[in-house]
Amino acid sequence: GENVEQHPSTLSVQEGDSAVIKCTYSDSASNYFPWYKQELGKRPQLIIDIRSNVGEKKDQRIAVTLNKTAKHFSLHITETQPEDSAVYFCAAATSGTYKYIFGTGTRLKVLA
Amino acid sequence: AAGVIQSPRHLIKEKRETATLKCYPIPRHDTVYWYQQGPGQDPQFLISFYEKMQSDKGSIPDRFSAQQFSDYHSELNMSSLELGDSALYFCASSRPGQANEKLFFGSGTQLSVL
Repeated sequence: GENVEQHPSTLSVQEGDSAVIKCTYSDSASNYFPWYKQELGKRPQLIIDIRSNVGEKKDQRIAVTLNKTAKHFSLHITETQPEDSAVYFCAAATSGTYKYIFGTGTRLKVLA
Repeated sequence: AAGVIQSPRHLIKEKRETATLKCYPIPRHDTVYWYQQGPGQDPQFLISFYEKMQSDKGSIPDRFSAQQFSDYHSELNMSSLELGDSALYFCASSRPGQANEKLFFGSGTQLSVL
């Protein structure tokens, strides 16, 4: 079945540094890739998404890149702040289906 | 702006009991998704509904059933509860007609089975 691998599982960075989280998907028909931020005990919140007809998308300190050939997509956070500390999930979705497959999550800790 | 509403927020049940979780999607959203998230785990897709019909099925146990009603709200019915069913259950909704639209999550129902 479809699956999404996510690395690393934990990531610690100094405040102001950049953080990169990578995901690999298995279903070549996947064409929508959202990223969610989840704080402890709270709902996942969409932070950025990208569709397969775009290679890169940026929103202030957050960017996502997509390599369809390699079936990789990555989240980049620049100038990290302590409030960026959370668990980040990537996901993949495929046209014609009504399910989103989540990656296993990355616990990001930004050290002040 | 209206968000996805889930009830109850917390639920405590005994083994072998039944539970019903409710989800009210954002107005004019016609697709509802149910996810189960164990402690430290990623959300696992259970089932989804589009226009009141089941649209996709994931790892939902046979002891669970769900439906979407004419007002688009959805209920997840869980019977013969087991200890392993203890988890945070999220409902999410998305806009009409598009499979690849943003999911908006509710605050979740924390189910504890004792």
